[in-house]
Amino acid sequence: DQQVKQNSPSLSVQEGRISILNCDYTNSMFDYFLWYKKYPAEGPTFLISISSIKDKNEDGRFTVFLNKSAKHLSLHIVPSQPGDSAVYFCAASADAGNMLTFGGGTRLMVKP
Amino acid sequence: EAEVAQSPRYKITEKSQAVAFWCDPISGHATLYWYRQILGQGPELLVQFQDESVVDDSQLPKDRFSAERLKGVDSTLKIQPAELGDSAMYLCASNVDGNSYEQYFGPGTRLTVT
Repeated sequence: DQQVKQNSPSLSVQEGRISILNCDYTNSMFDYFLWYKKYPAEGPTFLISISSIKDKNEDGRFTVFLNKSAKHLSLHIVPSQPGDSAVYFCAASADAGNMLTFGGGTRLMVKP
Repeated sequence: EAEVAQSPRYKITEKSQAVAFWCDPISGHATLYWYRQILGQGPELLVQFQDESVVDDSQLPKDRFSAERLKGVDSTLKIQPAELGDSAMYLCASNVDGNSYEQYFGPGTRLTVT
């Protein structure tokens, strides 16, 4: 069973607007969540993360929100830029140093 | 900026042949991971090393896959014999130690089995 799900395979947004990428998880043992960005033919690049003891973490244009009761997190990108066009992966971990469990990814396209 | 190095970047092989991938983690990173990413899916862990020791290889198909990290630095992942279903991106990642969550990925090796 998929423990981390990204239900939207793709998202198209106009430049300057907000992009919202969603992620759901089922495993209550997950205590840390990460977002990675991936360009074609490259490895995933770490973007932003959040501990389960927080509900929000912000870094520049990127903000991650965590709703533990709903087992849901989201990544907000404001304002969206064409260079943000990539595949975004949500990942979760149950313990520091352990494996990451990834969602299937969401392809974001930011149109000029 | 320190990076995870992987080679080759691309590999085409015929089924039943042997293939090997190499990874050099960020200097000083004790934990090393091999993931496999099938097109359209997220990466899935194959094997995890802490220094030279295997920590988790529960998802590694041991009848055909092997991994080693003999001196606790660089690592090799081998497939023998390769099958058509092994076509995927093989990603290596490293983590400074067992007390942090962030993993840093290399560029990957794209394997095509024909």
